[in-house]
Amino acid sequence: GQNIDQPTEMTATEGAIVQINCTYQTSGFNGLFWYQQHAGEAPTFLSYNVLDGLEEKGRFSSFLSRSKGYSYLLLKELQMKDSASYLCAASDSNYQLIWGAGTKLIIKP
Amino acid sequence: GAVVSQHPSWVICKSGTSVKIECRSLDFQATTMFWYRQFPKQSLMLMATSNEGSKATYEQGVEKDKFLINHASLTLSTLTVTSAHPEDSSFYICSARDGAEHQPQHFGDGTRLSIL
Repeated sequence: GQNIDQPTEMTATEGAIVQINCTYQTSGFNGLFWYQQHAGEAPTFLSYNVLDGLEEKGRFSSFLSRSKGYSYLLLKELQMKDSASYLCAASDSNYQLIWGAGTKLIIKP
Repeated sequence: GAVVSQHPSWVICKSGTSVKIECRSLDFQATTMFWYRQFPKQSLMLMATSNEGSKATYEQGVEKDKFLINHASLTLSTLTVTSAHPEDSSFYICSARDGAEHQPQHFGDGTRLSIL
């Protein structure tokens, strides 16, 4: 079956760095997306990886290893506004997104 | 760019009422739109995929007669929850894709539906 695993909750300190991991098993693979979702709001797109390696976008970076079925989202210089859920979604052979349950990130001062 | 507008944001209504939710892509044409529902502290659950000018594709377990989807133009899709009951109360979110299948989905702000 198709499956996405990511930690349920993580806690980090303002100004620090945090890495949110995601492992996936899909029928075929056409890329991996990361979204941010604040409580009570809709998800917003953060990043897309389809090739192995690191994609950097400001304070946020996303990494993909296709051979390991693994991705991570790296958040640097954490700010209080980064407190949110982070959703990992893999695109399968039909370009259907398989969603993880999300990682709730709590930032402490 | 890639703005998706969803309306209404909140709906509170009596059991048995039908509720229509609109999803519009404001600055791009969306050949494909998606409808999700999300329960508290749970992941997004895809309900159906809507392609402009054709019938929606529903996910297993989603009643097509209960959740009517219309995608009449490249910028508008609607979801109608017919004869809503308390168990239909949820957060409904639409998304739209701008172009090819590897492009990201852009989400509307969601509709919180409460059925009394």
